[in-house]
Amino acid sequence: AQKITQTQPGMFVQEKEAVTLDCTYDTSDPSYGLFWYKQPSSGEMIFLIYQGSYDQQNATEGRYSLNFQKARKSANLVISASQLGDSAMYFCAMRSFRGSARQLTFGSGTQLTVLP
Amino acid sequence: DTAVSQTPKYLVTQMGNDKSIKCEQNLGHDTMYWYKQDSKKFLKIMFSYNNKELIINETVPNRFSPKSPDKAHLNLHINSLELGDSAVYFCASRLAGGQNEQFFGPGTRLTVL
Repeated sequence: AQKITQTQPGMFVQEKEAVTLDCTYDTSDPSYGLFWYKQPSSGEMIFLIYQGSYDQQNATEGRYSLNFQKARKSANLVISASQLGDSAMYFCAMRSFRGSARQLTFGSGTQLTVLP
Repeated sequence: DTAVSQTPKYLVTQMGNDKSIKCEQNLGHDTMYWYKQDSKKFLKIMFSYNNKELIINETVPNRFSPKSPDKAHLNLHINSLELGDSAVYFCASRLAGGQNEQFFGPGTRLTVL
């Protein structure tokens, strides 16, 4: 069974500063992917960044980067130069590459508030 | 040019009624999903279809019945609605391949009175 843990229900960050959102996971599968999604107050789910378990380098996408530490089973999201529009719920998720369904297992989310 | 669409966006209904939520994707994806997001924002898989075939049916009451008429559509029918069914239901789709992300629909907020 897979499990995703996000231990920060809420986080605050000052505009233009960087923030790290924590995510740890548990799986017995050797091959898997880790995803981060953003859910603003409008409700849609927006894909941010992906990290494969065999990727040698940490993923980056614009202001988003993933601090992937495989031995510690952590995949923290780093948002640099926070903007007011970054205020949202952030979900960490993982997917095993075993089987055909490959559904996402989500963490409980972190509500990020960017302060002006 | 919406990628994954759901209708309706809001659904308010009485207990005991039967309702359907429709989902369509125009991305050519072969796998579609239904997720439920509860009042605490927790997202959980309900069903997964691959090429119109049911792959996953999590511990969902059999009042919930997904139907996939073709690869581009995955509809969700709910019989005898209960108060606890109130939630946001998300449809999602993806293309086969480990790193391919899931694209989510805008969600359907179901309120059972």
